[in-house]
Amino acid sequence: DAGVIQSPRHEVTEMGQEVTLRCKPISGHNSLFWYRQTMMRGLELLIYFNNNVPIDDSGMPEDRFSAKMPNASFSTLKIQPSEPRDSAVYFCASRQRAAKNIQYFGAGTRLSVL
Amino acid sequence: DAKTTQPNSMESNEEEPVHLPCNHSTISGTDYIHWYRQLPSQGPEYVIHGLTSNVNNRMASLAIAEDRKSSTLILHRATLRDAAVYYCILRDGQAGTALIFGKGTTLSVSS
Repeated sequence: DAGVIQSPRHEVTEMGQEVTLRCKPISGHNSLFWYRQTMMRGLELLIYFNNNVPIDDSGMPEDRFSAKMPNASFSTLKIQPSEPRDSAVYFCASRQRAAKNIQYFGAGTRLSVL
Repeated sequence: DAKTTQPNSMESNEEEPVHLPCNHSTISGTDYIHWYRQLPSQGPEYVIHGLTSNVNNRMASLAIAEDRKSSTLILHRATLRDAAVYYCILRDGQAGTALIFGKGTTLSVSS
């Protein structure tokens, strides 16, 4: 398996623009997680899905952030409008139900909002 | 979630064993102890996990204290590639929810 695939790897945008980050989980995994990592706050959970249903979105910073999982093989994290403080590395991870919480992470998307 | 305490940083020499400590004095009976590591410019990767007994895999060993209030990740022979941030995380095995990452221990390995 190719592992968790995230795109794009790097994104540079201007403040106010819409940004969409994409994630393809490992086939057969039924949980998907979005994290954000910054120097100041470390690695933070934003939202996670079980069987395509959002379970906990308490980490989503504000209404500008939204996440969807239309099917088991694809998820998006959207920021609209983007702000410079959203600059971070965003990671997606997936987990197989029977694996006792072993998560597999993608390589991340480095977002820079100018 | 029960909290963990790790040293901010540790140093090691190549080909020497490394013992990374983690304190978790408020651990509950159903909490699993997980270790992940994050290499530079990469996403975190799973290393090992355990509940009560010591565990070994191809990457590392996990030694769990008898009272489970602390644990130690053991890298038997450090290589330059082991330089990373190592995270010790407690996770309720029954709840099965997300991992909460702390600041971890930054391991430096010298040749």
